[in-house]
Amino acid sequence: GESVGLHLPTLSVQEGDNSIINCAYSNSASDYFIWYKQESGKGPQFIIDIRSNMDKRQGQRVTVLLNKTVKHLSLQIAATQPGDSAVYFCAERGGYQKVTFGTGTKLQVIP
Amino acid sequence: EAGVTQFPSHSVIEKGQTVTLRCDPISGHDNLYWYRRVMGKEIKFLLHFVKESKQDESGMPNNRFLAERTGGTYSTLKVQPAELEDSGVYFCASSLRDTNEKLFFGSGTQLSVL
Repeated sequence: GESVGLHLPTLSVQEGDNSIINCAYSNSASDYFIWYKQESGKGPQFIIDIRSNMDKRQGQRVTVLLNKTVKHLSLQIAATQPGDSAVYFCAERGGYQKVTFGTGTKLQVIP
Repeated sequence: EAGVTQFPSHSVIEKGQTVTLRCDPISGHDNLYWYRRVMGKEIKFLLHFVKESKQDESGMPNNRFLAERTGGTYSTLKVQPAELEDSGVYFCASSLRDTNEKLFFGSGTQLSVL
């Protein structure tokens, strides 16, 4: 399979702890943001999304925070589990419905 | 419901050869996207179809890449002739017409050009 994460920022967390993954986006006109999770050998999977008129959205064990002032997005995962180990990508929707992705962060959960 | 399927899952070719990747989106999804991930880095946009029309192909690297979506169903991405830097994982994604935020991805095609 592909070499995942060799050049990616890596976050290591202990199982049961909370994880925070950060992302800086580039387009101040982006109106919609998404977090994706990519496990080895699979395509990115949708986790949670947020529109630009919101600053926080919660899902099951995940929370996304949006700070438009500094163009920053974060993903919080509560009680991190081994199954959460993956590469996480933030994505933004800008003009013409084009969805662009950030570099990605590799999350390693230590049992 | 079947998800987005891509074929082949892996392809190893020599520089100068031609490769064609195929994507079958979720039935009823008008939007179809191609993305590429190189060297484990970011996922780069290649192009976007709405039905059979190219909505945005600004991410296509050069004229060695040709994408088609005949009849607005499945799509192919042809690389001819392939170069070493074309190696990477090619992802296809699809979404519904008017709620195109949620992109559903296929598992990707790992392309290795030797």
